[in-house]
Amino acid sequence: SQQGEEDPQALSIQEGENATMNCSYKTSINNLQWYRQNSGRGLVHLILIRSNEREKHSGRLRVTLDTSKKSSSLLITASRAADTASYFCATDALKNSGYALNFGKGTSLLVTP
Amino acid sequence: ETGVTQTPRHLVMGMTNKKSLKCEQHLGHNAMYWYKQSAKKPLELMFVYNFKEQTENNSVPSRFSPECPNSSHLFLHLHTLQPEDSALYLCASSQDRRSTDTQYFGPGTRLTVL
Repeated sequence: SQQGEEDPQALSIQEGENATMNCSYKTSINNLQWYRQNSGRGLVHLILIRSNEREKHSGRLRVTLDTSKKSSSLLITASRAADTASYFCATDALKNSGYALNFGKGTSLLVTP
Repeated sequence: ETGVTQTPRHLVMGMTNKKSLKCEQHLGHNAMYWYKQSAKKPLELMFVYNFKEQTENNSVPSRFSPECPNSSHLFLHLHTLQPEDSALYLCASSQDRRSTDTQYFGPGTRLTVL
């Protein structure tokens, strides 16, 4: 399976701390994306990193990609209570007529005030 | 708001009922997707439509029947469901099906099958 697997499954931190989530996958990719999901809602795209990129920033988010280890990490700096959500990595997978995304089970992040 | 809407937001149905889920995207995208999200499991891709044509059916039981009358609307018709079909059903769209395309998700329909 090419599905990403996030680690840890759950993470609890206090406001102001940094949160790091990891994703591992099994086969070669073109791109890796991170999504966020608030409880019972749809997923929202956060950031895309290409296979030839090693690091990418967006606001308080920093994503790294190590294709030799088939892993990625998402770092949220100076976390806020509003960052409480589940975070998913998604790898691209070529299907019959185009690409689809394979999602992992996600990391559930709780940020307490 | 992501530009993708889903109705209803919550649905409770018996195993003999027939119901439909509706998804509409206002983004001018060409590809639309149905996903199933169950507790403790990865998001499962069910169907993909590209330019109104079904291009992927991920071995979904026939009690789930998708319909895409145009590139903005996607339906999931449900009949004789099982309790294990209870889940959050998410609709998504993307501009096309390139590897760089991001997906925009609706809020989901929480389905409970009694």
